[in-house]
Amino acid sequence: DIQMTQSPSSLSASVGDRVTITCRASQSISDSLNWYQQKPGKPPKALIRSASSLQSGVPSRFSGSGSGTDFTLTISNLQVEDFATYFCQQSYSTPPYTFGQGTKLEIK
Amino acid sequence: QVLLVQSGAEVKKPGSSVKVSCKASGGTFRNHAINWVRQAPGRGFEWMGGIIPFFGTAKSAEKFQGRVTITADESTSTAYLELRSLRSEDTAVYYCVRILWALMDVWGQGTTVTVSS
Repeated sequence: DIQMTQSPSSLSASVGDRVTITCRASQSISDSLNWYQQKPGKPPKALIRSASSLQSGVPSRFSGSGSGTDFTLTISNLQVEDFATYFCQQSYSTPPYTFGQGTKLEIK
Repeated sequence: QVLLVQSGAEVKKPGSSVKVSCKASGGTFRNHAINWVRQAPGRGFEWMGGIIPFFGTAKSAEKFQGRVTITADESTSTAYLELRSLRSEDTAVYYCVRILWALMDVWGQGTTVTVSS
């Protein structure tokens, strides 16, 4: 199975900041990488598909990049509603679908 | 707009079984790839398996083979996850999700399963 490793596991930032979350795959997965946002007590919400394609309705301050084994999720101009946990998930070699362990973004 | 609504929370004894349902509305149920993912307290997500009702054959993760059954009833647009021989490590929130173009784009609200003696 392909292992997904996210860093950092937690991150503190302020409203208006720009933050970057990294996801690394244990082998090349081309651009088959998705990003999700999860708030407490809620199911995840899909943000980005295929490394860089923003889902409909997701604000443009979210962006994704990368290919192969290294990927990033960048949030520019952080808003209060962005404080949540973010997960990556590979869709290259499935099943099984595998996930990163998550990055909790907290208000500084 | 596809909506997935899951059954309510369950409390089970070790060694017993649980069956969670996921009712779909909107879209064409038989074409949906309905999968099951769980999230244990403080742990990440774990894919358990899935089914496309049109084909009727489910796939499950190797870890759960022999303990899990995934089915779909087209007449009620409902998918089911049954997990047997429950142990404390199975305590988790179980989600049904639709996978479209390799993206988990629609999620159920989650069903909490607690395994405790």
